[in-house]
Amino acid sequence: GQNIDQPTEMTATEGAIVQINCTYQTSGFNGLFWYQQHAGEAPTFLSYNVLDGLEEKGRFSSFLSRSKGYSYLLLKELQMKDSASYLCAVTRGNTPLVFGKGTRLSVIA
Amino acid sequence: EAGVAQSPRYKIIEKRQSVAFWCNPISGHATLYWYQQILGQGPKLLIQFQNNGVVDDSQLPKDRFSAERLKGVDSTLKIQPAKLEDSAVYLCASSPLAGGPIDTQYFGPGTRLTVL
Repeated sequence: GQNIDQPTEMTATEGAIVQINCTYQTSGFNGLFWYQQHAGEAPTFLSYNVLDGLEEKGRFSSFLSRSKGYSYLLLKELQMKDSASYLCAVTRGNTPLVFGKGTRLSVIA
Repeated sequence: EAGVAQSPRYKIIEKRQSVAFWCNPISGHATLYWYQQILGQGPKLLIQFQNNGVVDDSQLPKDRFSAERLKGVDSTLKIQPAKLEDSAVYLCASSPLAGGPIDTQYFGPGTRLTVL
């Protein structure tokens, strides 16, 4: 099976940097995705990591360490609109995505 | 490019009633997924189609849930009869490739089901 852990809630200040961690335990790991989901809306794709290292995309970056079963999503220059849930999901072999429970981020002024 | 379309957006039914959801994926996308997302949790895969064939339905409660994807395009998900614990958002997603490990999924807006 697959076990994915991420914090339930986080709060950060507008303009700051926040790091959302995700740890996973799975055999045959292939890749890790991050999705953003605003309340009442569908998840939207943010990034995926297959190899170790950092993937940067504007204000968002995602890091993966396959040996440690660990990833993080880094959000810089936080804006109020970044308040949302952030979902970590992993793939194993050719099986579909398995999602974590998500981290609800609140950005405050 | 039009996104994944779903209808209805909201549905309220009483337990033991039946309900159906419809999904139209992004044009040309081979793979279609139905997820169930209970409040406060991540989406859980119910069924995956590649074209009009089922790839994975291991987590679909087959005694009450059914899904089809006729002609490899639109799909419907049915619950019959509904239970209180079926209250959730049902998300449809599609991906362009064969559902491999780095095949990005695009989600529709979801149908919020409330079972009373």
